[in-house]
Amino acid sequence: EVKVVESGGGLIQPGRSLRLSCITSGFTFRDYAMTWFRQAPGKGLEWISHISSKDYGEAKEYATSVKGRFTVSRDDSKSITYLQMNNLKSEDTAVYFCARSIDRDSADYWGQGTLVSVSS
Amino acid sequence: DTVMTQSPVSLPVTPGEPASISCRSSQSLLYNNGANYLDWYVQKPGQSPQLLIYLTSIRASGVPDRFSGSGSGTDFTLEISRVEAEDVGVYYCMQGTHIPRTFGQGTRLHIK
Repeated sequence: EVKVVESGGGLIQPGRSLRLSCITSGFTFRDYAMTWFRQAPGKGLEWISHISSKDYGEAKEYATSVKGRFTVSRDDSKSITYLQMNNLKSEDTAVYFCARSIDRDSADYWGQGTLVSVSS
Repeated sequence: DTVMTQSPVSLPVTPGEPASISCRSSQSLLYNNGANYLDWYVQKPGQSPQLLIYLTSIRASGVPDRFSGSGSGTDFTLEISRVEAEDVGVYYCMQGTHIPRTFGQGTRLHIK
């Protein structure tokens, strides 16, 4: 059974940093790209980052809204992907989802999400 | 960025009746391999999104065949042949051709 579980969210002050983790199991992690999405309270979905598999060079892409502040990475030995979020802003407040991607970010397995609240 | 526009925003449906959601992109989603990278997701109340359709028309694993996707270029459609009560939720299209990936604003399907 494929499992995707995000963790690391919480209440954080503007300008601070936070690292989210996405722990997976039930599939060969190294063969898949992983994607991060977010959903602000009461709003729609937003794609924020992608990391491809090692076979595709672990290519990384970012949304304009987070480029230069967020960094995605992966540890294939642990089947985990990370989202390092620096210089957090109030507009980064959202539920952050991690998902396995099958083809150009078509996300077939999602986690339950982790809430990040940025507030002083 | 590629702007994705869905219509309608709200979709009241009688169980057993068909439903259709439109998704239009501000630029063509035709990739250089001939594929249109357009996905459909549904987010049911209190749940994470789930993949319904990818590559315009391929149903994800476990998705009932009453869901179908079609389209190419800039115009795409999700159709439900016979709506069931469990289909209530917000439906999103997402394009995977261009970076950044972008979603439509969502269509709330609800029962009349």
